[in-house]
Amino acid sequence: EPEVTQTPSHQVTQMGQEVILRCVPISNHLYFYWYRQILGQKVEFLVSFYNNEISEKSEIFDDQFSVERPDGSNFTLKIRSTKLEDSAMYFCASSLGGLDEQFFGPGTRLTVL
Amino acid sequence: AQSVTQLDSQVPVFEEAPVELRCNYSSSVSVYLFWYVQYPNQGLQLLLKYLSGSTLVKGINGFEAEFNKSQTSFHLRKPSVHISDTAEYFCAVSDLYQAGTALIFGKGTTLSVSS
Repeated sequence: EPEVTQTPSHQVTQMGQEVILRCVPISNHLYFYWYRQILGQKVEFLVSFYNNEISEKSEIFDDQFSVERPDGSNFTLKIRSTKLEDSAMYFCASSLGGLDEQFFGPGTRLTVL
Repeated sequence: AQSVTQLDSQVPVFEEAPVELRCNYSSSVSVYLFWYVQYPNQGLQLLLKYLSGSTLVKGINGFEAEFNKSQTSFHLRKPSVHISDTAEYFCAVSDLYQAGTALIFGKGTTLSVSS
């Protein structure tokens, strides 16, 4: 069964460093999403992406965040200068259509020291 | 703006007992409703969804949920739980008409099943 994959599973970085979180969505899906879950809190939407551009973003997704689909398979989330409060589990999701079920990856746990 | 309230943060139950996890939502637009489950150290898996039609929705692993428009609720139920149902359960909504839109999640309910 096709699934969304994410790498790495755990990333540790120093405050102020740039990180890139990688996702491989399901191959025929057209909509891509990033969510995050700070420990003990709810899952929060960051951004959705369609047709090589951002279709929606939340207040959390400020200028330090960016997304890219560099090739036909990967979908990346870049955090330019990490802060302690960026420590969270980051989930990638994809859906075939914009109103279809979103399939989630296993997440990348980001720890900022 | 949409919001989701999960009324119970933790629900402890014994194996083979029935369980109900409560979810209420508020929205100014028509919404899709979802329940996701998160097992330890895993991603989110869709349990069931309500898009339209019958208000009683059946999902995987014997779970079902009932959409109640007048009470803006979408409670999740299972008549007899197993140890393996121990997990975090999230209720979520999304805009019915906006493609590629966000899922808005509740804070989650931890279901702990013991023998």
